[in-house]
Amino acid sequence: SQTIHQWPATLVQPVGSPLSLECTVEGTSNPNLYWYRQAAGRGLQLLFYSVGIGQISSEVPQNLSASRPQDRQFILSSKKLLLSDSGFYLCASHPGGDTQYFGPGTRLTVL
Amino acid sequence: LAKTTQPISMDSYEGQEVNITCSHNNIATNDYITWYQQFPSQGPRFIIQGYKTKVTNEVASLFIPADRKSSTLSLPRVSLSDTAVYYCLGFSGGYNKLIFGAGTRLAVHP
Repeated sequence: SQTIHQWPATLVQPVGSPLSLECTVEGTSNPNLYWYRQAAGRGLQLLFYSVGIGQISSEVPQNLSASRPQDRQFILSSKKLLLSDSGFYLCASHPGGDTQYFGPGTRLTVL
Repeated sequence: LAKTTQPISMDSYEGQEVNITCSHNNIATNDYITWYQQFPSQGPRFIIQGYKTKVTNEVASLFIPADRKSSTLSLPRVSLSDTAVYYCLGFSGGYNKLIFGAGTRLAVHP
């Protein structure tokens, strides 16, 4: 079975500062990878997905960007954070079949 | 499966059976219905998945009628630890993009 790691677990950043969240996957190769964001008390919003190294698709125009430098590494970035970027960020992996697996998440607070 | 509709919240008591129904009128022929469970500050966890009729595993049962326009997640004899948000969803697009709705917030009381 696969394991998804995300770090950091929590992060507090000032408005205008940069952001880098990392996700790594163990136990599978060439998975589809996803970044979701969840606002407090809300459902999950798909931000980006990737079907391979260097291949990124954006679902919603954001102040955010994503990159996939390695097969099992997915990075979410921002050059300047906004207050509205606060939320719970989840990385997910789809190795095949009909199930996605989610990481533990990163709680980001922008002040 | 572009959109799903679920009750926003439900309340139950320990030991009861809980049934959460989800409407998915625009389901495509190849779509599977999948249910996830999410606890606060954790990522969603896969519970069960089905295409039609009934599927059962160690955690829950999933009932899907012949027209597949709805599905019902059944949790037998819930406990306090089943308090969570439950999401019904399907698949969109060619890259298995999961579209999450707001989910159903289940509260189990002693």
